[in-house]
Amino acid sequence: DTGVSQNPRHKITKRGQNVTFRCDPISEHNRLYWYRQTLGQGPEFLTYFQNEAQLEKSRLLSDRFSAERPKGSFSTLEIQRTEQGDSAMYLCASSALGETQYFGPGTRLLVL
Amino acid sequence: QKEVEQNSGPLSVPEGAIASLNCTYSDRGSQSFFWYRQYSGKSPELIMFIYSNGDKEDGRFTAQLNKASQYVSLLIRDSQPSDSATYLCAVTLSGNTGKLIFGQGTTLQVKP
Repeated sequence: DTGVSQNPRHKITKRGQNVTFRCDPISEHNRLYWYRQTLGQGPEFLTYFQNEAQLEKSRLLSDRFSAERPKGSFSTLEIQRTEQGDSAMYLCASSALGETQYFGPGTRLLVL
Repeated sequence: QKEVEQNSGPLSVPEGAIASLNCTYSDRGSQSFFWYRQYSGKSPELIMFIYSNGDKEDGRFTAQLNKASQYVSLLIRDSQPSDSATYLCAVTLSGNTGKLIFGQGTTLQVKP
């Protein structure tokens, strides 16, 4: 499978715990994006990387959120001290420079 | 005013009819326009993109862009029950980050 992959696909955690999600983009795509989607809404941009550089972060991305793409390949999104409001689908997408974005299957997070 | 607006629907059409989905955007500098399809519980899947004013056809799908009026539409000809999904309109704003700004999506129901 040469598409975008995300792990885990589902995560249930208790409030206050830390969680980490992984995204593996399409090979050789130099741009990687993270979005969050809640029920009944379109995805909302969180952050993006061009190669290993994090070039933009949304105001939605509070201090509890951190993302990395250390070698310009896979990326991780960590949420510290999770809150119930963090429950959502976390989507990763990748693209070549200036090209369309292709989404992974998403990680569905439920914070109890 | 939201940056990208769609009627949430549901839009209900009979099988074989033409479904017309509309989207308006507020940033006149928006550069690229995308339609994604999202089945319940799944991630967005790219259907079409359009950059220039006018129509772009791909099989049963036609995207229409009118930059002067700041709207983009998607026509689905010969609608099938398998087309029942949420259709997300997305735009990229001026600048070159490539981040997508999504509308909330329109739910389409195609009735046999």
